[in-house]
Amino acid sequence: EDKVVQSPLSLVVHEGDTVTLNCSYEVTNFRSLLWYKQEKKAPTFLFMLTSSGIEKKSGRLSSILDKKELFSILNITATQTGDSAVYLCAVRAGKSTFGDGTTLTVKP
Amino acid sequence: DAGVTQSPTHLIKTRGQQVTLRCSPKSGHDTVSWYQQALGQGPQFIFQYYEEEERQRGNFPDRFSGHQFPNYSSELNVNALLLGDSALYLCASSLGVGPYEQYFGPGTRLTVT
Repeated sequence: EDKVVQSPLSLVVHEGDTVTLNCSYEVTNFRSLLWYKQEKKAPTFLFMLTSSGIEKKSGRLSSILDKKELFSILNITATQTGDSAVYLCAVRAGKSTFGDGTTLTVKP
Repeated sequence: DAGVTQSPTHLIKTRGQQVTLRCSPKSGHDTVSWYQQALGQGPQFIFQYYEEEERQRGNFPDRFSGHQFPNYSSELNVNALLLGDSALYLCASSLGVGPYEQYFGPGTRLTVT
């Protein structure tokens, strides 16, 4: 059975800190790994990764995939209170499998 | 550019009843996937529809069924509701069934009493 594990489960930081969120997976027929931010209802798409070692960046957020070690990380630099959310990692094989998310709280 | 829309926003049903949830995909998308998200957990994949056929299915009982229409919109039907079916039901759309970006709708909050 496909499995996605995210760590840590929760994280509390102060504005300006840098955070690293982890996602490890065990799936058959890997196709892509996606990161989402979920604040209230709909998860908002952040990144899609398909190739190892190629960093994707969007502003203060970046992510990279290691297909050999079966993990991905999401980095957020200079965190802001608006970054407070649940960050979800999903792996698409034949179907999509999500982790349970990391709850990030950024304090002023 | 219209994003993914879902209706209704909230729904309260009684155990044993049946419910239908609706989803319209993002403009240009032809594939719809449905997820169930319980409180404090990640979304759990229910099934995916492409070309009006169910292409993939997660570990959900046959009480969960769906349909996709020629305009790519989709319905999720749940029969014989149980208390444990209370959750946020999310619809996501993408272009094709490959490793493409998937965009989510706002969800339907279903409460079964």
